[in-house]
Amino acid sequence: GAGVSQSPSNKVTEKGKDVELRCDPISGHTALYWYRQSLGQGLEFLIYFQGNSAPDKSGLPSDRFSAERTGGSVSTLTIQRTQQEDSAVYLCASSAGTSETQYFGPGTRLLVL
Amino acid sequence: QKEVEQNSGPLSVPEGAIASLNCTYSDRGSQSFFWYRQYSGKSPELIMFIYSNGDKEDGRFTAQLNKASQYVSLLIRDSQPSDSATYLCAFQPSTSGTYKYIFGTGTRLKVLA
Repeated sequence: GAGVSQSPSNKVTEKGKDVELRCDPISGHTALYWYRQSLGQGLEFLIYFQGNSAPDKSGLPSDRFSAERTGGSVSTLTIQRTQQEDSAVYLCASSAGTSETQYFGPGTRLLVL
Repeated sequence: QKEVEQNSGPLSVPEGAIASLNCTYSDRGSQSFFWYRQYSGKSPELIMFIYSNGDKEDGRFTAQLNKASQYVSLLIRDSQPSDSATYLCAFQPSTSGTYKYIFGTGTRLKVLA
């Protein structure tokens, strides 16, 4: 079966532009997470979706960041008015439940010029 | 105090030795702890999880949890050059209603052939 997929794999954008990053979780996984990893750093939690519950948005760094998950499957992370400090690898992970093993996608490398 | 702290390393050990990786966390009520391995340029993958005080062994890996002292460690026996990677510890906060993961910044391990 397919793992977690993310697109695009790389994205170069200009400061001030909006970007959308996509995550396709493993089929049947109810939990979906977004993380950000800057060069040489650990994973920074951004947002978490679990089933039909309200998402935990406590990690979003500013109101320029938002995410949605349609139909309990695909998720999109949107960054508005991108800044250079948004440059990082954005990782998505899914799991079968709230404390089950997370499986990570390959990430989207975002570079804001 | 950071929520989770790890020595960034690099930790260098000779092939065949025991590598010891440590992590301390601030949330005394946390119940679930995880170790992830991340090869350079790749996504993290789960190595072990531990919920109870004491040791948990899986092949060459042993996770140790001490809730009273708020630390979790990972021992890698008979270290191999292929174990060279960054090891991230993570935990789930005890705050009710959320199952997000908090990651450390990782310890870089180098196993010398």
